[in-house]
Amino acid sequence: DTGVSQDPRHKITKRGQNVTFRCDPISEHNRLYWYRQTLGQGPEFLTYFQNEAQLEKSRLLSDRFSAERPKGSFSTLEIQRTEQGDSAMYLCASSLPPRVNEQFFGPGTRLTVL
Amino acid sequence: TQLLEQSPQFLSIQEGENLTVYCNSSSVFSSLQWYRQEPGEGPVLLVTVVTGGEVKKLKRLTFQFGDARKDSSLHITAAQPGDTGLYLCAGGVLGQDRGSTLGRLYFGRGTQLTVWP
Repeated sequence: DTGVSQDPRHKITKRGQNVTFRCDPISEHNRLYWYRQTLGQGPEFLTYFQNEAQLEKSRLLSDRFSAERPKGSFSTLEIQRTEQGDSAMYLCASSLPPRVNEQFFGPGTRLTVL
Repeated sequence: TQLLEQSPQFLSIQEGENLTVYCNSSSVFSSLQWYRQEPGEGPVLLVTVVTGGEVKKLKRLTFQFGDARKDSSLHITAAQPGDTGLYLCAGGVLGQDRGSTLGRLYFGRGTQLTVWP
């Protein structure tokens, strides 16, 4: 399978715990994006990388959130001190310039904070 | 405030009917993407439209980009139960530099389509 993969698919955690999600993009895609989707809403942009450089971060990405892509391949998204409001589907996507807007999504990680 | 407004929010129809869903904005987009999403899964890219007035067909689905690149529509002919899903439109915005495109996509809230057999 050469699509975008995400791990884990589901995560249940208690408020205050830290969680980390992983995304593996399509192998030749050098752009990688993180989005968050809550029930009844479309995905909302969080951040994106071109290779290992983090080029843009949304205001939604509070200081409890950090994303990395150290070698320009896979990426991790960490949420520290989780809150119930962090419960959402976290989606990763990748694309290849110049068609940067043709973003291909992974299956997502469903986070539930109790 | 949503940058992209989709309508209707919900659509429930019988198999064989035709339907159109709309995606509107006051902003100009460099491109407009349509996705379909199943429950518990990520969105699947259906099509990208780039040129104002562009029409693309994908089997029974017809996508149109408005002349001013501010709106788009998706028309489905003879809908089937397999078309059931959440249809999302997403726009890419032009950057400050002429011709550049920023990274993020702006999504609408989606149209939940249910097609009954």
